[in-house]
Amino acid sequence: DSGVTQTPKHLITATGQRVTLRCSPRSGDLSVYWYQQSLDQGLQFLIQYYNGEERAKGNILERFSAQQFPDLHSELNLSSLELGDSALYFCASSAGQGATNEKLFFGSGTQLSVL
Amino acid sequence: AQSVAQPEDQVNVAEGNPLTVKCTYSVSGNPYLFWYVQYPNRGLQFLLKYITGDNLVKGSYGFEAEFNKSQTSFHLKKPSALVSDSALYFCAVRAGFQKLVFGTGTRLLVSP
Repeated sequence: DSGVTQTPKHLITATGQRVTLRCSPRSGDLSVYWYQQSLDQGLQFLIQYYNGEERAKGNILERFSAQQFPDLHSELNLSSLELGDSALYFCASSAGQGATNEKLFFGSGTQLSVL
Repeated sequence: AQSVAQPEDQVNVAEGNPLTVKCTYSVSGNPYLFWYVQYPNRGLQFLLKYITGDNLVKGSYGFEAEFNKSQTSFHLKKPSALVSDSALYFCAVRAGFQKLVFGTGTRLLVSP
C-alpha cells in the first residue's frame, strides 16, 4: 500500500458530463501530481500542486482543472467529457516540491469510462 | 525537451533466465533516471533510481539498472526472472526541477 488514496476506483459517465476525482496524499507529503494513462498516449503528466499552489503544468486540457486544499487533498475536475477522456487517472504524491531525486508514490487510480 | 524511449512493447523470458528491459534517454544536463513497475489494477511502484555515483544501481525485488552515459541508456536487469515479475515496467527521467517524464512502458511476461 502506497499510502495514496484515490476515490472513486471506477467511474462511468456520459459525454458532456462533469466528474470530480479525489486524491489523498501520503501523510506528510506536500506535493500531489495527476497523471492520465491511456493505451494510445501512455502515461501523461497533467499537473502538480505543492502545498496548495500549482507547481507545474503538463498536457492538461482546458476542460480539466485541479486544486489542492489546505488539508492537502486534491481534486481533479473533468468537464464536457468526451469519449477520448476515458482513461486511468493516477494521483501521486511526494514529500517535497519535486526535486530531482524524489520518488513518487502512486495511488491505485480511478478508471474513467465515458460512454 | 527531456524524454525516454522504451523500444520494446513486450519482453518475454522464461523463469530463471536473466531479463533486460531497455530504456534510452534524452535530456539536456544531468539525467535523473527512475524505474517504476505497475502490477495489474495497481498504481506504479518505485523500483530504483539513478542520481549520481555508481553506474550500477540496485533496487527492490532483486532488480538493478545500469546507467551508461555514452549510450544514453538505463537498462533494467535481473539475473533470474520470476513469474511474479510479470508486469508493466516504466522508465522515467527528470532534469532539474521539472516534471517526471515516463516512457511508454514495456510489458514483461515471464513464463514458467
